[in-house]
Amino acid sequence: QSALTQPPSASGSPGQSVTISCTGTSSDVGGHNYVSWYQQHPGKAPKLMIYEVSKRPSGVPDRFSGSKSGNTASLTVSGLQAEDEADYYCSSYAGSNKLVFGGGTKLTVL
Amino acid sequence: EVQLVESGGGLVQPGGSLRLSCAASGFTLSTYYMTWVRQAPGKGLEWVANIKQDGTEKTYVDSVKDRFSISRDNAKNSLSLEMNSLRAEDTALYYCVRGVITAGRSAFDIWGQGTMVTVSS
Repeated sequence: QSALTQPPSASGSPGQSVTISCTGTSSDVGGHNYVSWYQQHPGKAPKLMIYEVSKRPSGVPDRFSGSKSGNTASLTVSGLQAEDEADYYCSSYAGSNKLVFGGGTKLTVL
Repeated sequence: EVQLVESGGGLVQPGGSLRLSCAASGFTLSTYYMTWVRQAPGKGLEWVANIKQDGTEKTYVDSVKDRFSISRDNAKNSLSLEMNSLRAEDTALYYCVRGVITAGRSAFDIWGQGTMVTVSS
């Protein structure tokens, strides 16, 4: 299976909103409502931010939201804060018990 | 505290073998789908393999199929990854991860700190 497509970088100023896209195919993103998003700070393990397209685990701020349209999923971070600067990865169930990740997006808070 | 702790990584020659282990604590392993995810140095995340709660279903990414074997011992709260015929491209930090209760194969809420596997002569 091929990796999902994410922009290599994204940026925004504190307080602004930024949206990161994640494009797949009808076999993964478009075919299942099992898209997740992870935040990874340097040297740290990834942290689950969104699952099942738009659900937030306990403890994740509601500034983080997820959505999906067709074969593209999106993560929106509102009210950007300095600590949001990190790498973000999307993933999607791809059928047959398999999963695929995106290439990652480096979010910079200006 | 809910925790996953990996061990067993190291330096191995191409063609060699290695067995990774993951010790789970603070929760009952048998309730959860478990997965191995890897990350090559400076690269993104890659799903490697998963195993159903009772161990009856195991699935692998094509690049490791027939070389890697995932297993679990629910009585000992542990997960393993047996890696054979290792290649340079298997060099990565290997994470043991727990599936969320409602979407165990597709979302991971607990991650270990990772164990590094380096394949080099």
